[in-house]
Parts: sequence; C-alpha cells; structure tokens
Amino acid sequence: DAMVIQNPRYQVTQFGKPVTLSCSQTLNHNVMYWYQQKSSQAPKLLFHYYDKDFNNEADTPDNFQSRRPNTSFCFLDIRSPGLGDAAMYLCATSLRTGNYEQYFGPGTRLTVT
Amino acid sequence: QKEVEQNSGPLSVPEGAIASLNCTYSDRVSQSFFWYRQYSGKSPELIMSIYSNGDKEDGRFTAQLNKASQYVSLLIRDSQPSDSATYLCAVKFGNQGGKLIFGQGTELSVKP
Repeated sequence: DAMVIQNPRYQVTQFGKPVTLSCSQTLNHNVMYWYQQKSSQAPKLLFHYYDKDFNNEADTPDNFQSRRPNTSFCFLDIRSPGLGDAAMYLCATSLRTGNYEQYFGPGTRLTVT
Repeated sequence: QKEVEQNSGPLSVPEGAIASLNCTYSDRVSQSFFWYRQYSGKSPELIMSIYSNGDKEDGRFTAQLNKASQYVSLLIRDSQPSDSATYLCAVKFGNQGGKLIFGQGTELSVKP
C-alpha cells in the first residue's frame, strides 16, 4: 500500500545533541511537509517542499533544518535540541495540484533529556 | 492572520447519538476544507474533505460547508466509542499554496 513512513517512531536525545528524523513516501507526491505538534495543540507547520523548492515558515527557529535529497525522502534536522523541542514531529505529503489533500505519516515522538 | 476556530470540548455524546463538530474560519478566500481524526498519541488521519457549499456524506460522516457564513461542520451519526478522538478542522486558504491552517481540535468522547 502507498504510504508515508517515518523513522524512528520514538527518539530520545540529550539536550544539545543533534538529531535527524526521516520521512519517506511511496505516494509519489511532490509536496512534503514537516509539522511539530505538542500535547493538546494543533500541528504547527515548520516548512514544506514543493518538489525541491524549500519554503520555511517565518517563525520556524533556525535550530530546525530540512533536506529533501529526492522525491521520496525528506529529513528534519534539529541542530541543538532544547527541552522545548520535545514534541511529536509529523511528516505529511500532498500533490501540488488539485485540492492538496495531505496525508500524514505515523509521526516521531521526540524526547529531550 | 488566517484563523480556524473550533470548540475544544470535550464534547461528550452517548453511543448511538449524533455528534456535531463545528469549525469557523476567518477568510473568505478559502478553497478546501478538511476534517482529520487524531487518536491520542497517533497522527492525524484524513476522514473528510469538502470543497463546495452543501453536504458531503461518507458512511456515518457528513461534512457541511457554508462559505457565506465561513462555517464547516462534521456530523457523526450512530456514534461509537471508537469514534472517541480529537477532530481537527483544517482549511486551505486561496493564496497559501498547499499550506493548511489547523484548528485546535475538538475532543469527542462517546460514552457506551
């Protein structure tokens, strides 16, 4: 089945230790999104790619970076995680045309110790 | 600033009843509207999308859109305990590409 896959599902990192989260998709969608979701809050868009075109949200901290080496994969790098970065990180994909229905992966739960 | 607003709940309904979830949005130039279901600790799952005024039905779910009133709702008929989740309303605004604005979500609890 076509899907959005995120690895790892759970990640524990130390304060200040860089961490990379990955997302892959078999939907052949050309738009990929990264969201941060904290408990009882709405998903917050960090950035997204239209194909290779990177779009950063104005309020996304510089501590968060992203790479998309090809259509199928996208990575979220947190350069120096702080305690406030503990959250669920969600990857989503959509087509660039039509109604942009977004499909989410299962998420990565990040804990910062 | 675009906004999407939902009642946070919790909304509690007995099993078999109709659950009604509401969402208002602040911009008239909105194209697409989505309802996501999110179980605790899980990722959002797309359950309904609606693009034109009126009703759209899919099984026990009905989405209703009224663009003039800037209002979209989700009705769940014959509610089941397995419907207990947080329901997120999301709106794609006309000049924002694929970007969705999410509401805070409404927590639904269906009591057996």
